[in-house]
Amino acid sequence: DAMVIQNPRYQVTQFGKPVTLSCSQTLNHNVMYWYQQKSSQAPKLLFHYYDKDFNNEADTPDNFQSRRPNTSFCFLDIRSPGLGDAAMYLCATSRGWRAAGGRGYNEQFFGPGTRLTVL
Amino acid sequence: AQTVTQSQPEMSVQEAETVTLSCTYDTSESDYYLFWYKQPPSRQMILVIRQEAYKQQNATENRFSVNFQKAAKSFSLKISDSQLGDAAMYFCAYRSADAGGTSYGKLTFGQGTILTVHP
Repeated sequence: DAMVIQNPRYQVTQFGKPVTLSCSQTLNHNVMYWYQQKSSQAPKLLFHYYDKDFNNEADTPDNFQSRRPNTSFCFLDIRSPGLGDAAMYLCATSRGWRAAGGRGYNEQFFGPGTRLTVL
Repeated sequence: AQTVTQSQPEMSVQEAETVTLSCTYDTSESDYYLFWYKQPPSRQMILVIRQEAYKQQNATENRFSVNFQKAAKSFSLKISDSQLGDAAMYFCAYRSADAGGTSYGKLTFGQGTILTVHP
């Protein structure tokens, strides 16, 4: 089945030790998103890629970076994790909208998330 | 900027009964999409139902229906014949339909409502 896969499902890191979270998709979607979801809170968009175009949210800390080496994979790098970065990180994908002239609904499909613990 | 508010942090319902989850939003746009997402414990977020703002007819998906009141900026979710598997966190979300806008493709979530279903 086509899907959005996140690895690992659980990640423990130490304060200040860089960590990378992985997302892959078999949906061949143009757009990949990274959300941060803290306990019992709404997901908050960090950034997204439209193909290779990177779009950062204005309030995303510089500590968070992302890479998308190809259509299928996208990585979230946290350069120096702090205790406040402990959260669930959700990856999502959607079809692009540019080819359709901009109009049209494109459902976002979510992965199961990676729960990050910072010690 | 758009905001989405869910005023019910928790709701409960008896199995087979009906429950309504509330959502209000604020926007200056006239064209947009609204969604309800379900996030079961430790499982991925899935789309329950969506509504396009230019459509007056309320969306329905099997046991799930919405009451969309555009003038009041209200978007409630009704779950009929509740089942144990409906227990989850439910998020209301907003998405602009303005393809020329910088926020196009971005979901803005409410804080979520935890739904408990009692047997």
